[in-house]
Amino acid sequence: RKEVEQDPGPFNVPEGATVAFNCTYSNSASQSFFWYRQDCRKEPKLLMSVYSSGNEDGRFTAQLNRASQYISLLIRDSKLSDSATYLCVVNFPTGGYNKLIFGAGTRLAVHP
Amino acid sequence: ETGVTQTPRHLVMGMTNKKSLKCEQHLGHNAMYWYKQSAKKPLELMFVYSLEERVENNSVPSRFSPECPNSSHLFLHLHTLQPEDSALYLCASSRDRVGPQHFGDGTRLSIL
Repeated sequence: RKEVEQDPGPFNVPEGATVAFNCTYSNSASQSFFWYRQDCRKEPKLLMSVYSSGNEDGRFTAQLNRASQYISLLIRDSKLSDSATYLCVVNFPTGGYNKLIFGAGTRLAVHP
Repeated sequence: ETGVTQTPRHLVMGMTNKKSLKCEQHLGHNAMYWYKQSAKKPLELMFVYSLEERVENNSVPSRFSPECPNSSHLFLHLHTLQPEDSALYLCASSRDRVGPQHFGDGTRLSIL
């Protein structure tokens, strides 16, 4: 089983659609969870942290299910500018430092 | 955003050359990281420095040699690289052991 697993997509959706991405992780001791966004040939940028109670930032909602070791990202009212690759990132506790494991990413393409 | 800056942005070198990649963070973070991102692959952690001490060397070949002279600067010295080392090299920093990492723009490296 991969340490962090995501559906690679691509997800092709029209503007205004709602789209959801899922991610599973293998280490039950993980404590920190993030979604990053990466545009083509650019560096990853932090989109949002994911908290146990779930959290929302504008059109973006992140959920965490520790029992199932599952994270999700929901994007409402998709914009053309949302087109990117979304990386699920999970902290794997090891030796007292922050080892982040990155998923391979889910590609989103929003079309007019 | 200038929180983490990397130079050069692009580098083309022959297999016998020696070059160095530089990373500087202006965020007051305590940990710095080198990642490699090859085409269509997830980010691969190469090195981790916490408070200027190397805490992880993720089975990286010795032709890559990191240096962290202080908590704000990180170098990656390169020598006798192979064509398969062509990739995007990303530097990141984080404030503490569980927080998110912030990335620089990356250096796109091509080995001839």
